[in-house]
Amino acid sequence: RKEVEQDPGPFNVPEGATVAFNCTYSNSASQSFFWYRQDCRKEPKLLMSVYSSGNEDGRFTAQLNRASQYISLLIRDSKLSDSATYLCVVKNSGYSTLTFGKGTMLLVSP
Amino acid sequence: AAGVIQSPRHLIKEKRETATLKCYPIPRHDTVYWYQQGPGQDPQFLISFYEKMQSDKGSIPDRFSAQQFSDYHSELNMSSLELGDSALYFCASSTGNSPLHFGNGTRLTVT
Repeated sequence: RKEVEQDPGPFNVPEGATVAFNCTYSNSASQSFFWYRQDCRKEPKLLMSVYSSGNEDGRFTAQLNRASQYISLLIRDSKLSDSATYLCVVKNSGYSTLTFGKGTMLLVSP
Repeated sequence: AAGVIQSPRHLIKEKRETATLKCYPIPRHDTVYWYQQGPGQDPQFLISFYEKMQSDKGSIPDRFSAQQFSDYHSELNMSSLELGDSALYFCASSTGNSPLHFGNGTRLTVT
């Protein structure tokens, strides 16, 4: 079983739609969780960290469920510019590496 | 704000040649990571350094080596290049438990 699993998509949604991605992780000792966004041929960019209490940044909301070992990302009022691959990322300890999911592709159409 | 700087941006090499990729982390970041991302793949961890010492090792081939220098910049040395080494190579840096910040990457093409 892969350490971090995501639905690869693509998710095709119209502008203005709400879309949610889920991600599961296998290591119960994982400490830090992030969503990164990656545009084609570009570097991954941090979208947001994910906290147990849940956190929101504008149109984006991230949730962490430690009991079920999954992370979610909700995007409201989708924009064309949201089209990208969203990478679920887990860090097992302070100085350990990041483990990436394979990413979920989002395509927002007019 | 200063970001992670990688050079070169693009590199074309022939099979069996060598290549050196450079990475300059964000100032005061003490940890540097190298990732390889093939077409349609997620980034694969190669190796990391904390305070100039190797801290973790991933799927780095024996033909590759890396080091971190006293000024915290890092170099990834790749020898006996193969066609399958063609990929995007990302360097990232962090400090403490902070998220990783990635450089723009080096696109290596082996012909």
